[in-house]
Amino acid sequence: DAMVIQNPRYQVTQFGKPVTLSCSQTLNHNVMYWYQQKSSQAPKLLFHYYDKDFNNEADTPDNFQSRRPNTSFCFLDIRSPGLGDAAMYLCATRRGPPNEKLFFGSGTQLSVL
Amino acid sequence: AQSVTQPDIHITVSEGASLELRCNYSYGATPYLFWYVQSPGQGLQLLLKYFSGDTLVQGIKGFEAEFKRSQSSFNLRKPSVHWSDAAEYFCAVEGYGNAGNMLTFGGGTRLMVKP
Repeated sequence: DAMVIQNPRYQVTQFGKPVTLSCSQTLNHNVMYWYQQKSSQAPKLLFHYYDKDFNNEADTPDNFQSRRPNTSFCFLDIRSPGLGDAAMYLCATRRGPPNEKLFFGSGTQLSVL
Repeated sequence: AQSVTQPDIHITVSEGASLELRCNYSYGATPYLFWYVQSPGQGLQLLLKYFSGDTLVQGIKGFEAEFKRSQSSFNLRKPSVHWSDAAEYFCAVEGYGNAGNMLTFGGGTRLMVKP
């Protein structure tokens, strides 16, 4: 059974039209991450939550926001998507300590027209 | 800040041949090191990890990796590659960033397996 679920699997949006990607987890993990992975590149960390504490990477564009209303759910909001935001967005969770492994979802492939 | 380098962008091996994927890291303290595998259009799956102790770690699917502090390396190996091993492989290092612990990935190595 999938433990980190990302919906939708594929998302198409228009240039400048806000879009929200969702991630849910059944693991009750404290930490949730959002990564952006462009074609043929490594995943790049956008931000993460440790419980309710939000941590934004310094080079994450202001265009990207996140919400975590409860332990199970985390959302990635892209306020005004540009063509350069087309990518795979990966959600990952971790129980807490850094020596615990990350559990990844299958990702949402975002296309911007 | 930590960084990871995977020198080989693409590697092609014959089925049944041995495999070594290179990974070099930069981090000031003893790192936590990981190898992940990603099949096309999928998320990442953990193959193995190193935190401390024995420098040769065993992972899933017959993979192993050896931590060499003197060379700042954590190379991934497999004695006999199967066609199903074709995928993208990412080395990663865990370190303390501006906002707490964070995982930094290398650029990845795409493995192709010839029949």
